[in-house]
Amino acid sequence: EADIYQTPRYLVIGTGKKITLECSQTMGHDKMYWYQQDPGMELHLIHYSYGVNSTEKGDLSSESTVSRIRTEHFPLTLESARPSHTSQYLCASGAEEQYFGPGTRLTVT
Amino acid sequence: KNQVEQSPQSLIILEGKNCTLQCNYTVSPFSNLRWYKQDTGRGPVSLTIMTFSENTKSNGRYTATLDADTKQSSLHITASQLSDSASYICVVSDRGSTLGRLYFGRGTQLTVWP
Repeated sequence: EADIYQTPRYLVIGTGKKITLECSQTMGHDKMYWYQQDPGMELHLIHYSYGVNSTEKGDLSSESTVSRIRTEHFPLTLESARPSHTSQYLCASGAEEQYFGPGTRLTVT
Repeated sequence: KNQVEQSPQSLIILEGKNCTLQCNYTVSPFSNLRWYKQDTGRGPVSLTIMTFSENTKSNGRYTATLDADTKQSSLHITASQLSDSASYICVVSDRGSTLGRLYFGRGTQLTVWP
């Protein structure tokens, strides 16, 4: 099993709150990714990073932001959560092979 | 437009039976094709990965095939088990960018009944 972790696993939060989804990997991978997945739909890339201090937006526009201060850590932040942000967020790392974390199921009420 | 289409959308089979899932893609230039298994509420886990020159790859009871000419792949599951109930996602990578962009299908939701 891949050594990539996400916390929290589930989060229910009210509109307007600031949230940070954590993602850590212990495999020393330079490339890391954030995907958004709605039920029954495909994964959409929202952010990626080639390494420390490198972050790029993905295919799907997202109001979230990311940072990459350490190789192993790639947190995602929403400054003001809205119901439209309700989704599953998956973090991954790796190059030829992408290893996925267990995901965070976010519900914004 | 680079796309990955999977069929069927959902499938129900009885325990012990075999099944085959289909994937058609238009991604170009092609780098590799992967099949992932995603349990409900979990992240996807890789089952197989095939490059252009490979036309079959096995992982236990899972066998994937690839026809790069017709841009089709299939995942065959033999002697299904209850634990095979999951979404199976076809993912194609291109060679057109340093990122190695992944294109995801919507998955086939497989349910295995006892």
